[in-house]
Amino acid sequence: ILNVEQSPQSLHVQEGDSTNFTCSFPSSNFYALHWYRWETAKSPEALFVMTLNGDEKKKGRISATLNTKEGYSYLYIKGSQPEDSATYLCAFEASGSRLTFGEGTQLTVNP
Amino acid sequence: GAVVSQHPSWVICKSGTSVKIECRSLDFQATTMFWYRQFPKQSLMLMATSNEGSKATYEQGVEKDKFLINHASLTLSTLTVTSAHPEDSSFYICSVSAGSTRTDTQYFGPGTRLTVL
Repeated sequence: ILNVEQSPQSLHVQEGDSTNFTCSFPSSNFYALHWYRWETAKSPEALFVMTLNGDEKKKGRISATLNTKEGYSYLYIKGSQPEDSATYLCAFEASGSRLTFGEGTQLTVNP
Repeated sequence: GAVVSQHPSWVICKSGTSVKIECRSLDFQATTMFWYRQFPKQSLMLMATSNEGSKATYEQGVEKDKFLINHASLTLSTLTVTSAHPEDSSFYICSVSAGSTRTDTQYFGPGTRLTVL
């Protein structure tokens, strides 16, 4: 069983704060790392698919970095807004295998 | 991205009955569909992978005779929970994928909450 861990489990920040959270995954047999944003009562929304060590991806105020050698990815949100409140999931994809999800980081942005 | 719907969004049933959950890809030809379930305070766990026109591949520990999957077209997959029991109560969610390239994203439906009494 592959171990994908996300920290923290939950996070409360004030509007305007910048924040980041971590996804740890096995450093062997790496194929891709996926980040999803999941709002309550909605479908998980794909944010990034990262494949290369050192990858940095950005989408608006959200960005992510990837270190496949040490097995971690960071997701950053700059200037958090209440609409950023959601659970952020990462999923590790090993070579020839399927997605293994972490339990997610639940972000609440207070106005 | 693809738009995926699921029906029903929630269902309550009696123990011993069967429940069918539909997953539809509304604007996308889905050659591969995935079924996941999530128990409270746990991560999404893959149950099975189905490819259009062929039998589903089940993950270890998932009973294929209990969780029947039919992927008869590029836009519809169904999951039938047969003879449901309270321990089958969970959140079931499907996703679709266009193929197997490295950057293929999975597009998820909104999920179905199943409660078995």
